[in-house]
Amino acid sequence: AQSVTQLGSHVSVSEGALVLLRCNYSSSVPPYLFWYVQYPNQGLQLLLKYTSAATLVKGINGFEAEFKKSETSFHLTKPSAHMSDAAEYFCAVSSGNTPLVFGKGTRLSVIA
Amino acid sequence: EAQVTQNPRYLITVTGKKLTVTCSQNMNHEYMSWYRQDPGLGLRQIYYSMNVEVTDKGDVPEGYKVSRKEKRNFPLILESPSPNQTSLYFCASSLSDRHGYTFGSGTRLTVV
Repeated sequence: AQSVTQLGSHVSVSEGALVLLRCNYSSSVPPYLFWYVQYPNQGLQLLLKYTSAATLVKGINGFEAEFKKSETSFHLTKPSAHMSDAAEYFCAVSSGNTPLVFGKGTRLSVIA
Repeated sequence: EAQVTQNPRYLITVTGKKLTVTCSQNMNHEYMSWYRQDPGLGLRQIYYSMNVEVTDKGDVPEGYKVSRKEKRNFPLILESPSPNQTSLYFCASSLSDRHGYTFGSGTRLTVV
């Protein structure tokens, strides 16, 4: 069975600082990995995905994530936080015709 | 515009009164899923479907029914709603497990 663990339910950063949201996964087969963002009172929007091509994946809004098989991790980063990045972020995993499984989410706050 | 459409967006109902939340996608996607989102619990899958007439239980299927009679529609049925089904519900669709899901805008359900 697949699972996702997001470390830290709430992360706070200053505007302009590095954003690092952590995600570790468990999967018995090569996974597909995703990061989604949810702004207040909205649905989920796909930020980026890893599907076994390049291990460093670039997404929208300046975010990127690196797939590290040895660490079973897929952490999300952004070099410089903006106020508009404040949202909830979800890591998710799927593989081999199995449904998408989400982590519990990390709420990102950006302090001016 | 490619989208997943859920209706209604908001619904308040009474315990035991049957209801249906509709979901439709116009992208010819094979995969469709229903999730519920609760504070601190992230998104939990209720049911999913990988093809017409094929549905499977997710992590929290109790108290829910679905049907997939045609590719574009995937309604969620609550035969006898209870207060613990008060939640934010999302429908999502995908071309395959490597593509990531497109989400609807959500349905906020309150059962009193």
